[in-house]
Amino acid sequence: GQSLEQPSEVTAVEGAIVQINCTYQTSGFYGLSWYQQHDGGAPTFLSYNALDGLEETGRFSSFLSRSDSYGYLLLQELQMKDSASYFCAVSGNQGGKLIFGQGTELSVKP
Amino acid sequence: DTEVTQTPKHLVMGMTNKKSLKCEQHMGHRAMYWYKQKAKKPPELMFVYSYEKLSINESVPSRFSPECPNSSLLNLHLHALQPEDSALYLCASSQRVTGSGTGELFFGEGSRLTVL
Repeated sequence: GQSLEQPSEVTAVEGAIVQINCTYQTSGFYGLSWYQQHDGGAPTFLSYNALDGLEETGRFSSFLSRSDSYGYLLLQELQMKDSASYFCAVSGNQGGKLIFGQGTELSVKP
Repeated sequence: DTEVTQTPKHLVMGMTNKKSLKCEQHMGHRAMYWYKQKAKKPPELMFVYSYEKLSINESVPSRFSPECPNSSLLNLHLHALQPEDSALYLCASSQRVTGSGTGELFFGEGSRLTVL
């Protein structure tokens, strides 16, 4: 089976940096994705890591260590609009089966 | 056009009703998905279609019946639902099934279903 663990809540202030960790267990791992979801909105794709290392996209970066079954999402220069739920998700060897973690609710305070 | 469009946005139905949720994408994607999401929970995979064929059914009760009439359309037919089926139903698409090079899904805004 597949399982993912990520913190349920994180709070930070505007302008700060926050890291959301994700550990996973899966058979036939292909990659780790991150999604953002605002209240009442649809999940929006942020990043995908298939190989070890850091991927940077603007203020957001995502890291993967396949040997540690671990990844993280790094959000820099936090803004109020970054308050949302963030989900890590793994795709394994059953094509099409993207499984989501429980989500981390990020609150950005002024 | 990078949108996945879902209709209706809201649906209230009784336990004896039959209704359908519709999803459309015009991105040329060949994989389409139905997810169910309860409040404060992650999306839960229900069905995956790849090249218009059902490839994954996550042991979903038969009162939910998916249909993929063509590569752009995905329906979810609902019949004899229970109040616990009330949730946000999300449709998504991707160029090809996840796990073959990409973890990127494009989600629609969802259909919020209430079963009375």
